[in-house]
Amino acid sequence: NAGVTQTPKFRILKIGQSMTLQCTQDMNHNYMYWYRQDPGMGLKLIYYSVGAGITDKGEVPNGYNVSRSTTEDFPLRLELAAPSQTSVYFCASSYVGVFSNTEAFFGQGTRLTVV
Amino acid sequence: RKEVEQDPGPFNVPEGATVAFNCTYSNSASQSFFWYRQDCRKEPKLLMSVYSSGNEDGRFTAQLNRASQYISLLIRDSKLSDSATYLCVVKGYSSASKIIFGSGTRLSIRP
Repeated sequence: NAGVTQTPKFRILKIGQSMTLQCTQDMNHNYMYWYRQDPGMGLKLIYYSVGAGITDKGEVPNGYNVSRSTTEDFPLRLELAAPSQTSVYFCASSYVGVFSNTEAFFGQGTRLTVV
Repeated sequence: RKEVEQDPGPFNVPEGATVAFNCTYSNSASQSFFWYRQDCRKEPKLLMSVYSSGNEDGRFTAQLNRASQYISLLIRDSKLSDSATYLCVVKGYSSASKIIFGSGTRLSIRP
């Protein structure tokens, strides 16, 4: 199993450019998440999805958009990139059942620099 | 108040020492608790789940205190390879609850 796959691994953007970070999971997980991690800091939740067609904001959603048209894919869109969006972005997925203890599996991260 | 709070450290301890971290959470309805480990420039990975009765996995022991709303991680006989950032993770009861990560505690083991 590939698990959670993120592309690209690295990217340099110019201020004002847009891009989409791709995330795919092959574990049939219903929940998917996007986090950002600034240097020396913890993970901050950007957006999450509890299933196809359903997304919700996390702690730091401004400047980002997401969609969840399929169970497998959860792309993150950056519009009008700003230097403050320089960070490492992690996508994660988990299976959530009412009575289950869940583990989140992470992709390897996308290191984004906005210059 | 943050939903999940951890002492950021860094904790710098000698090899062989015992070290403990605490993590507090604000939502009393939280139901699932985990400790993740994150190595430098890598993705977080599950270290262990935390069960109500407490649980042990080798040198690692996790405890949950619902009354005081904190979880703890104890590492005995620490190894150089234990150097990492340890993330506390909390999830609520409902199926719509999101997983919230603490900002992590940095641990450095010295020879």
